[in-house]
Amino acid sequence: QVRLVQSGTEVKKPGSSVKVSCKASGDIFAPYTMHWVRQAPGQSLEWMGWINTDNGNTRYSQNLQGRVTITRDSSASTVYLQLGSLRFEDTAVYFCVRASMKHIVFWGQGTLVTVSS
Amino acid sequence: QSVLTQPASVSASPGQSITISCTGSSSDIGDYDYVSWYQQHAGAAPKLIIYEVTRRPSGVSNRFSGSKSGNTASLFVSGLQAEDEADYYCFSYTSTSAYVFGTGTKVTVL
Repeated sequence: QVRLVQSGTEVKKPGSSVKVSCKASGDIFAPYTMHWVRQAPGQSLEWMGWINTDNGNTRYSQNLQGRVTITRDSSASTVYLQLGSLRFEDTAVYFCVRASMKHIVFWGQGTLVTVSS
Repeated sequence: QSVLTQPASVSASPGQSITISCTGSSSDIGDYDYVSWYQQHAGAAPKLIIYEVTRRPSGVSNRFSGSKSGNTASLFVSGLQAEDEADYYCFSYTSTSAYVFGTGTKVTVL
C-alpha cells in the first residue's frame, strides 16, 4: 500500500515562501505523476500542479504560475512544493497525491500552512 | 483555467437517489473521458469513488455510478444512506495537460 507522509504545520508571514515535503513509501517512486492539491478552510479543492517523478517534467495551475515550484528527489522518494510571495488567502491544507492514469488514488495526510502577520 | 461547476448542495431522504452534475467545457470534460469523483467526509482526505467517467474502484459501493454527456458529467447515488453525507468533488483532465476540480457539492441526508 502506498503511503505519502508530509511535513508538518507551517506558519508564515505574508510575502515569504514555504516548502512542503512529501515522502512516498510502499511502492516504487517512479514513474508516477505526483500532484499537489490545496483546500482553504471551508472551501473546495484546488489543483496546483504535477510532476512526473521519472523525468521531472512539471505543469502548474495558471492561477499560481510564477509562485509555485514542484520538485523531486528520486533518491529520497520525495516530492516538494514551494509556494512563494505568500498571501493571507494561501492559508490552506496542502495535500500531496499520487495519480494513476488521470485520477488521484493516494492522498497524503495534509499539511496546514497558515499565512499570518 | 476555470473550475468545473457543481450545485452547492443536494439533499434527500434515506433510500432516495440523487444526481450531482459537473459542468465544464469542450477543453476538459467534453474532450476527455478522464473525469473522476471524490467523496470527502468532514476532517478527512478525499476518497476516489469514480474514475474515467464510469469506472468504480474496488471496494466502492455499486450505489455510486457516473456518466457523461457533452460537457457535463454526473454522479448518481442510489439508495442514499446516512454515511453518504459528505462533500463531493468532480475532477477532470484538460487540453493544456492541467487539471481542474469542481466547486464541490454538499450532500445532506435528511
